[in-house]
Amino acid sequence: DGGITQSPKYLFRKEGQNVTLSCEQNLNHDAMYWYRQDPGQGLRLIYYSQIVNDFQKGDIAEGYSVSREKKESFPLTVTSAQKNPTAFYLCASRTGTNTGELFFGEGSRLTVL
Amino acid sequence: AQRVTQPEKLLSVFKGAPVELKCNYSYSGSPELFWYVQYSRQRLQLLLRHISRESIKGFTADLNKGETSFHLKKPFAQEEDSAMYYCALSGWETSGSRLTFGEGTQLTVNP
Repeated sequence: DGGITQSPKYLFRKEGQNVTLSCEQNLNHDAMYWYRQDPGQGLRLIYYSQIVNDFQKGDIAEGYSVSREKKESFPLTVTSAQKNPTAFYLCASRTGTNTGELFFGEGSRLTVL
Repeated sequence: AQRVTQPEKLLSVFKGAPVELKCNYSYSGSPELFWYVQYSRQRLQLLLRHISRESIKGFTADLNKGETSFHLKKPFAQEEDSAMYYCALSGWETSGSRLTFGEGTQLTVNP
Protein backbone atom coordinates (compact mmCIF):
# COMPACT_ATOMS: atom_id res chain seq x y z
CA ASP A 1 0.00 0.00 0.00
CA GLY A 2 1.82 3.09 -1.23
CA GLY A 3 1.77 6.38 0.56
CA ILE A 4 3.05 8.38 3.47
CA THR A 5 3.06 7.10 7.01
CA GLN A 6 3.41 9.32 10.03
CA SER A 7 3.92 8.07 13.56
CA PRO A 8 2.89 8.36 16.24
CA LYS A 9 -0.62 9.65 15.64
CA TYR A 10 -0.85 11.14 19.13
CA LEU A 11 2.03 12.12 21.34
CA PHE A 12 2.27 13.71 24.76
CA ARG A 13 5.44 15.17 26.18
CA LYS A 14 6.51 17.15 29.16
CA GLU A 15 7.97 20.61 28.85
CA GLY A 16 11.70 20.56 28.30
CA GLN A 17 11.75 17.27 26.43
CA ASN A 18 12.66 16.76 22.79
CA VAL A 19 10.41 14.58 20.70
CA THR A 20 10.85 13.10 17.22
CA LEU A 21 8.01 12.58 14.75
CA SER A 22 8.50 9.95 12.08
CA CYS A 23 7.60 10.31 8.40
CA GLU A 24 8.17 7.55 5.85
CA GLN A 25 7.15 7.40 2.18
CA ASN A 26 7.33 4.61 -0.39
CA LEU A 27 6.32 6.74 -3.37
CA ASN A 28 9.91 7.27 -4.52
CA HIS A 29 9.41 11.01 -4.18
CA ASP A 30 12.40 13.32 -4.11
CA ALA A 31 10.91 16.17 -2.08
CA MET A 32 9.54 15.94 1.45
CA TYR A 33 7.94 18.54 3.71
CA TRP A 34 6.87 19.24 7.27
CA TYR A 35 3.99 21.61 7.94
CA ARG A 36 2.35 22.74 11.12
CA GLN A 37 -1.43 23.16 11.04
CA ASP A 38 -3.03 25.50 13.56
CA PRO A 39 -6.66 26.73 13.51
CA GLY A 40 -6.94 30.00 11.64
CA GLN A 41 -3.31 29.94 10.49
CA GLY A 42 -3.43 27.38 7.75
CA LEU A 43 -0.40 25.26 6.96
CA ARG A 44 2.93 26.80 7.80
CA LEU A 45 6.11 25.32 6.40
CA ILE A 46 8.66 24.16 8.96
CA TYR A 47 11.32 22.45 6.82
CA TYR A 48 11.54 20.89 3.41
CA SER A 49 14.02 18.68 1.59
CA GLN A 50 14.50 18.44 -2.16
CA ILE A 51 17.03 15.59 -2.13
CA VAL A 52 18.78 13.27 0.28
CA ASN A 53 21.25 14.92 2.66
CA ASP A 54 19.88 18.37 1.90
CA PHE A 55 17.10 20.42 3.54
CA GLN A 56 16.00 24.03 3.84
CA LYS A 57 14.28 26.04 6.54
CA GLY A 58 10.69 27.04 5.98
CA ASP A 59 8.85 29.93 7.56
CA ILE A 60 8.80 28.68 11.15
CA ALA A 61 11.94 26.53 11.56
CA GLU A 62 12.99 27.88 14.97
CA GLY A 63 12.86 25.17 17.62
CA TYR A 64 12.72 22.34 15.08
CA SER A 65 15.34 20.15 13.41
CA VAL A 66 15.24 17.56 10.62
CA SER A 67 17.45 15.06 8.84
CA ARG A 68 17.27 13.39 5.41
CA GLU A 69 19.64 10.47 5.45
CA LYS A 70 17.40 8.30 3.29
CA LYS A 71 15.08 9.17 0.44
CA GLU A 72 12.15 7.48 2.18
CA SER A 73 12.51 9.11 5.57
CA PHE A 74 12.28 12.69 6.87
CA PRO A 75 11.98 12.77 10.68
CA LEU A 76 11.16 15.98 12.54
CA THR A 77 12.48 16.74 16.02
CA VAL A 78 10.56 19.23 18.12
CA THR A 79 13.10 20.57 20.56
CA SER A 80 12.62 22.16 23.96
CA ALA A 81 13.46 25.48 22.31
CA GLN A 82 10.14 25.50 20.45
CA LYS A 83 8.01 27.93 22.47
CA ASN A 84 4.58 26.67 21.46
CA PRO A 85 4.94 23.07 20.30
CA THR A 86 1.38 21.84 20.89
CA ALA A 87 0.02 21.46 17.37
CA PHE A 88 -0.94 19.16 14.54
CA TYR A 89 2.01 18.25 12.31
CA LEU A 90 1.68 17.15 8.70
CA CYS A 91 4.31 15.47 6.57
CA ALA A 92 4.06 15.45 2.79
CA SER A 93 6.02 14.44 -0.28
CA ARG A 94 6.00 15.01 -4.00
CA THR A 95 8.08 14.41 -7.10
CA GLY A 96 10.84 16.92 -7.68
CA THR A 97 8.91 19.05 -10.13
CA ASN A 98 7.16 22.37 -9.78
CA THR A 99 3.77 21.01 -10.80
CA GLY A 100 3.85 17.80 -8.79
CA GLU A 101 0.98 16.84 -6.52
CA LEU A 102 1.70 16.88 -2.81
CA PHE A 103 0.73 13.70 -0.94
CA PHE A 104 0.03 14.06 2.77
CA GLY A 105 0.27 11.81 5.76
CA GLU A 106 -2.51 11.53 8.32
CA GLY A 107 -0.73 13.80 10.73
CA SER A 108 0.67 13.67 14.26
CA ARG A 109 -0.91 15.57 17.12
CA LEU A 110 1.62 16.67 19.72
CA THR A 111 0.48 17.89 23.12
CA VAL A 112 2.91 19.36 25.59
CA LEU A 113 1.79 19.00 29.19
CA ALA B 1 9.41 35.72 -1.16
CA GLN B 2 6.18 33.96 -1.96
CA ARG B 3 2.93 34.49 -0.16
CA VAL B 4 -0.65 33.22 -0.44
CA THR B 5 -3.66 34.97 1.06
CA GLN B 6 -7.16 33.61 1.49
CA PRO B 7 -9.21 36.51 2.83
CA GLU B 8 -12.20 34.48 4.04
CA LYS B 9 -11.70 32.09 6.94
CA LEU B 10 -15.34 31.01 6.86
CA LEU B 11 -17.79 30.84 3.97
CA SER B 12 -21.36 29.63 4.19
CA VAL B 13 -23.74 29.11 1.25
CA PHE B 14 -26.93 27.24 0.55
CA LYS B 15 -27.11 24.13 -1.59
CA GLY B 16 -27.46 25.03 -5.27
CA ALA B 17 -25.97 28.50 -4.85
CA PRO B 18 -22.76 29.56 -6.60
CA VAL B 19 -19.62 29.59 -4.52
CA GLU B 20 -16.31 31.40 -4.93
CA LEU B 21 -13.32 30.93 -2.66
CA LYS B 22 -10.79 33.69 -3.06
CA CYS B 23 -7.04 33.28 -3.31
CA ASN B 24 -4.45 35.98 -3.95
CA TYR B 25 -0.73 35.49 -4.21
CA SER B 26 2.52 37.36 -4.45
CA TYR B 27 5.46 35.93 -6.34
CA SER B 28 7.94 37.56 -8.66
CA GLY B 29 8.28 34.73 -11.19
CA SER B 30 5.88 32.33 -12.89
CA PRO B 31 3.98 30.47 -10.17
CA GLU B 32 2.24 27.16 -10.18
CA LEU B 33 -1.04 27.39 -8.24
CA PHE B 34 -3.02 24.61 -6.60
CA TRP B 35 -6.16 24.08 -4.58
CA TYR B 36 -6.10 21.42 -1.87
CA VAL B 37 -9.13 20.18 0.08
CA GLN B 38 -9.55 18.50 3.43
CA TYR B 39 -12.85 16.74 4.04
CA SER B 40 -13.82 15.82 7.58
CA ARG B 41 -11.65 12.99 8.93
CA GLN B 42 -9.70 12.66 5.68
CA ARG B 43 -6.22 13.54 4.55
CA LEU B 44 -5.48 16.76 2.79
CA GLN B 45 -5.60 16.07 -0.96
CA LEU B 46 -5.17 17.86 -4.25
CA LEU B 47 -8.35 19.24 -5.79
CA LEU B 48 -6.94 20.89 -8.90
CA ARG B 49 -3.90 22.69 -10.32
CA HIS B 50 -3.93 25.56 -12.73
CA ILE B 51 -1.64 23.93 -15.26
CA SER B 52 -4.18 21.17 -15.88
CA ARG B 53 -6.99 23.60 -16.68
CA GLU B 54 -9.47 20.95 -15.65
CA SER B 55 -12.76 20.87 -13.75
CA ILE B 56 -12.82 18.58 -10.74
CA LYS B 57 -16.10 17.86 -8.91
CA GLY B 58 -17.55 20.85 -10.75
CA PHE B 59 -14.87 23.23 -9.45
CA THR B 60 -12.75 25.41 -11.71
CA ALA B 61 -10.01 27.95 -11.04
CA ASP B 62 -8.42 30.42 -13.42
CA LEU B 63 -5.04 31.97 -12.90
CA ASN B 64 -5.25 35.73 -13.35
CA LYS B 65 -1.69 37.02 -13.45
CA GLY B 66 -2.80 40.64 -13.74
CA GLU B 67 -4.76 40.45 -10.50
CA THR B 68 -2.44 37.79 -8.99
CA SER B 69 -5.47 35.68 -8.13
CA PHE B 70 -6.52 32.04 -8.41
CA HIS B 71 -10.11 31.97 -7.18
CA LEU B 72 -11.96 28.66 -6.92
CA LYS B 73 -15.49 28.59 -8.29
CA LYS B 74 -18.43 26.25 -8.54
CA PRO B 75 -21.77 27.26 -10.07
CA PHE B 76 -23.97 25.03 -7.90
CA ALA B 77 -22.67 24.05 -4.47
CA GLN B 78 -23.48 20.65 -2.97
CA GLU B 79 -23.57 19.62 0.69
CA GLU B 80 -20.65 17.24 0.12
CA ASP B 81 -18.51 20.23 -0.85
CA SER B 82 -18.36 21.25 2.81
CA ALA B 83 -14.68 21.10 3.71
CA MET B 84 -11.55 23.14 4.39
CA TYR B 85 -9.96 24.51 1.23
CA TYR B 86 -6.36 25.64 0.90
CA CYS B 87 -4.76 27.56 -1.93
CA ALA B 88 -1.06 26.82 -2.51
CA LEU B 89 1.78 28.22 -4.59
CA SER B 90 4.96 26.66 -5.91
CA GLY B 91 7.61 28.95 -7.36
CA TRP B 92 10.43 26.96 -8.90
CA GLU B 93 12.68 29.80 -10.09
CA THR B 94 13.38 31.25 -6.69
CA SER B 95 12.25 28.60 -4.26
CA GLY B 96 12.83 25.18 -5.79
CA SER B 97 10.42 22.68 -4.30
CA ARG B 98 9.04 25.07 -1.69
CA LEU B 99 5.22 25.00 -1.51
CA THR B 100 3.43 27.76 0.38
CA PHE B 101 -0.15 27.50 1.59
CA GLY B 102 -2.75 30.10 2.47
CA GLU B 103 -4.64 30.25 5.75
CA GLY B 104 -7.53 28.17 4.45
CA THR B 105 -11.26 28.75 3.99
CA GLN B 106 -13.82 26.58 5.76
CA LEU B 107 -16.74 26.13 3.38
CA THR B 108 -20.13 25.08 4.72
CA VAL B 109 -22.92 24.23 2.32
CA ASN B 110 -26.27 24.29 4.06
CA PRO B 111 -29.25 22.18 2.93
